[in-house]
Amino acid sequence: ELKVEQNPLFLSMQEGKNYTIYCNYSTTSDRLYWYRQDPGKSLESLFVLLSNGAVKQEGRLMASLDTKARLSTLHITAAVHDLSATYFCAVDILGFGNEKLTFGTGTRLTIIP
Amino acid sequence: DTEVTQTPKHLVMGMTNKKSLKCEQHMGHRAMYWYKQKAKKPPELMFVYSYEKLSINESVPSRFSPECPNSSLLNLHLHALQPEDSALYLCASSQDRTGGSADTQYFGPGTRLTVL
Repeated sequence: ELKVEQNPLFLSMQEGKNYTIYCNYSTTSDRLYWYRQDPGKSLESLFVLLSNGAVKQEGRLMASLDTKARLSTLHITAAVHDLSATYFCAVDILGFGNEKLTFGTGTRLTIIP
Repeated sequence: DTEVTQTPKHLVMGMTNKKSLKCEQHMGHRAMYWYKQKAKKPPELMFVYSYEKLSINESVPSRFSPECPNSSLLNLHLHALQPEDSALYLCASSQDRTGGSADTQYFGPGTRLTVL
């Protein structure tokens, strides 16, 4: 059974600081997704990582993928309040295309002014 | 346009009621999904339709009945639900399952369901 774990589960950080969220998964996969969810809202797609060593950046967020280590990271640079949300990684089980995503536990990020 | 729409936004129903959730997308996507999300938990996959055919049912109780009338529409029929079924129900869609590009799933705003 595929397990997707994120850490930390909760993260409170000051504006302007840098931090990293980690996503570990237990079986081979060639696609990893990062989503953002604001309270009471739906999921917004942030990044899709398709190969080993892939790195994507958008604004203050940067995501990377190491398929050999089965690890993805989401790095936050110089955090601002608007980044407060819950972040999920999701893994696509190899062979199922994009049909079967398993989501990580989520990281609830709070940026403190 | 990457919009997936869902109606209603909120639904309150009794355990003996029959209701339906509706999802619509006009992006030409060929895969559509239903997820259930409890508070402070990640989404859990319920059903997947690919080319209007049910391809995955994650052992969902029969009181949930999905339907895909055409490639743009996805329904979830609800009957005899239990209070523990109260949750946010999310619909998503994505491009062709065999597509080589990034088949990101785009999520709708969700229907918040309360079962009394």
